[in-house]
Amino acid sequence: QQQVKQSPQSLIVQKGGISIINCAYENTAFDYFPWYQQFPGKGPALLIAIRPDVSEKKEGRFTISFNKSAKQFSLHIMDSQPGDSATYFCAASVQGGKLIFGQGTELSVKP
Amino acid sequence: DAGITQSPRHKVTETGTPVTLRCHQTENHRYMYWYRQDPGHGLRLIHYSYGVKDTDKGEVSDGYSVSRSKTEDFLLTLESATSSQTSVYFCAISAQDTQYFGPGTRLTVL
Repeated sequence: QQQVKQSPQSLIVQKGGISIINCAYENTAFDYFPWYQQFPGKGPALLIAIRPDVSEKKEGRFTISFNKSAKQFSLHIMDSQPGDSATYFCAASVQGGKLIFGQGTELSVKP
Repeated sequence: DAGITQSPRHKVTETGTPVTLRCHQTENHRYMYWYRQDPGHGLRLIHYSYGVKDTDKGEVSDGYSVSRSKTEDFLLTLESATSSQTSVYFCAISAQDTQYFGPGTRLTVL
């Protein structure tokens, strides 16, 4: 019940395209859903986060869509750029407690 | 990096030897975490601390111990390293529901 399942494991997108990464969870007590971006040799860095009282949050080219009834949330990267090539992790937590991470998605944006 | 440093950044050791990894923060955060990152598993919590001398186990704590004698330092110890502990280890702090990660330590156990 504590798991967060992330898909796909890897993703190749052409420059200018839309990258979509999906996550699903079971624990309905989760109330904080962040996405992290990680470049090779670096630690994960917070990209964008959402709480379940909204269905969508947008920051620049990055959008989180949240479907509470389906217990799913997704990251959309619009106009994907080669500089977006990185590993992306979704996560979830209850009241600011321990984060449960998805397995990660390796995104490659081809020029 | 939210004022987080990890040392060493790289280490190669042999099976059966003790290893200690250090996480240092400069911003006086109460919560600190140790994760390991392995392909296909994402980030898995090893141990965490909610104050000086207050620690608890995470998802994959077997074979690891931690100590926190000062707010700024959180140590992870492998008492007798095994090859299955070859991994990249990340320290994190928590601030306003968000975790901020250090640069990581790549540990290889031969």
